[in-house]
Amino acid sequence: DAGITQSPRYKITETGRQVTLMCHQTWSHSYMFWYRQDLGHGLRLIYYSAAADITDKGEVPDGYVVSRSKTENFPLTLESATRSQTSVYFCASTGWTEAFFGQGTRLTVV
Amino acid sequence: AQTVTQSQPEMSVQEAETVTLSCTYDTSESDYYLFWYKQPPSRQMILVIRQEAYKQQNATENRFSVNFQKAAKSFSLKISDSQLGDAAMYFCAYEQGTYKYIFGTGTRLKVLA
Repeated sequence: DAGITQSPRYKITETGRQVTLMCHQTWSHSYMFWYRQDLGHGLRLIYYSAAADITDKGEVPDGYVVSRSKTENFPLTLESATRSQTSVYFCASTGWTEAFFGQGTRLTVV
Repeated sequence: AQTVTQSQPEMSVQEAETVTLSCTYDTSESDYYLFWYKQPPSRQMILVIRQEAYKQQNATENRFSVNFQKAAKSFSLKISDSQLGDAAMYFCAYEQGTYKYIFGTGTRLKVLA
C-alpha cells in the first residue's frame, strides 16, 4: 500500500533502554521528519532529513538519534529512554503541497 | 523564529452551526504556506485546507474555509454546518519553503448533538 507507515503503534519501555521507532514511506519523498506530540505543545520537530544520508536537528533533538541510509526509511532511536520522552511520535514526509503523516507511535517510558 | 499561536485550547459548537478556530503566526517572510490539519481520535493527521500566502483569495474546501489576513498574520478556519465527524483536534501550521512545518498547540473541537 502506498503511504507512510510507522511501527510499532504502541510501545512500553523502561528507563535507560534503547528504543527504535521505524518509519517507511513509499512515495520516494526527499524530505522526512520526526515530530513528537505532547499536550500543550502541539507537534514539535525532533529531526528531519532532506535526502538519504542528510539529516539535521529540529527543535527538540536531545536524546534522539536518526539515520537515513535509504530514501524510504527514517528510523528514530532513543539511545537511553527517559520518562520525559513519553509521548506520541509522528513520522512525516512532504510532497509538493502537503505533509503526509504516519499513524503515530504512542511511547510510554516507565 | 517563526511561531504559530492557537489561543483557544477548546471550542464547542452545536451540530449544524458554524464555528471559527483562530490562528495567528509570526514571520518576517513574505512567501509561505499555511495549513489546517485535523486529528480525530484515531490520531491520524488529515489535511483540511491549505493557503499560499501570495494568494489574496481565501481557500475553501466544501464546508471549510479560511479567513487569511496577511497583514494581521491571522489565519482562522471556519467550519460551516458542523457535523459530529468534525469533532477532533485541529492544528494550524506554517511552512516557509523549507518543508519544515511549525505547528500551533491545537484546538480541541467538540460538536454537540
